Amino acid sequence: GIQVEQSPPDLILQEGANSTLRCNFSDSVNNLQWFHQNPWGQLINLFYIPSGTKQNGRLSATTVATERYSLLYISSSQTTDSGVYFCAVNPIYNQGGKLIFGQGTELSVKP
Amino acid sequence: DGGITQSPKYLFRKEGQNVTLSCEQNLNHDAMYWYRQDPGQGLRLIYYSQIVNDFQKGDIAEGYSVSREKKESFPLTVTSAQKNPTAFYLCASGGPGDTQYFGPGTRLTVL
Repeated sequence: GIQVEQSPPDLILQEGANSTLRCNFSDSVNNLQWFHQNPWGQLINLFYIPSGTKQNGRLSATTVATERYSLLYISSSQTTDSGVYFCAVNPIYNQGGKLIFGQGTELSVKP
Repeated sequence: DGGITQSPKYLFRKEGQNVTLSCEQNLNHDAMYWYRQDPGQGLRLIYYSQIVNDFQKGDIAEGYSVSREKKESFPLTVTSAQKNPTAFYLCASGGPGDTQYFGPGTRLTVL
């Protein structure tokens, strides 16, 4: 089945710094989503981005489907950005819409 | 207030007991999903349902059962056959283009 790899696994930043999180996937996909899991476990949708670039405030994402990767950019990081960021894909051969998750990047933003 | 609700938030189970986790959505989504998350890991799919009265096994269905009698509800039963049920359980429903939205989760602990 499809493999989803995220890097780096852990990241520590000083407040105000910028960061880039990467998601590589091994097969073609219908759908790619980025999520933020807060300390209480809630998964928050950040982007639905099977291709192209989107921006939402300090966050932006780019997916290059032909090269099978996606990047999540966080600018001017804040302590509330801490948590785990997941990339999840729906493989093109899958009919049920199920998502395959990467292992996540754990981000810690220090004041 | 639209969204996905899960109950209970915390659940404790004795060895050999079956327990049922509730998931309700009022987003009018056809598809619903159950995922399991272990500490430091990504999410893995247990079961999913694309339509009422129909559901399919995910990647780790052994020891679990589901029903889909109503569009709004997709309860998950963790049976005594599940050898290691302690985990965080997340329910999701599928929106347009297979975007998934998640509930707040249930933490299950076996005593």
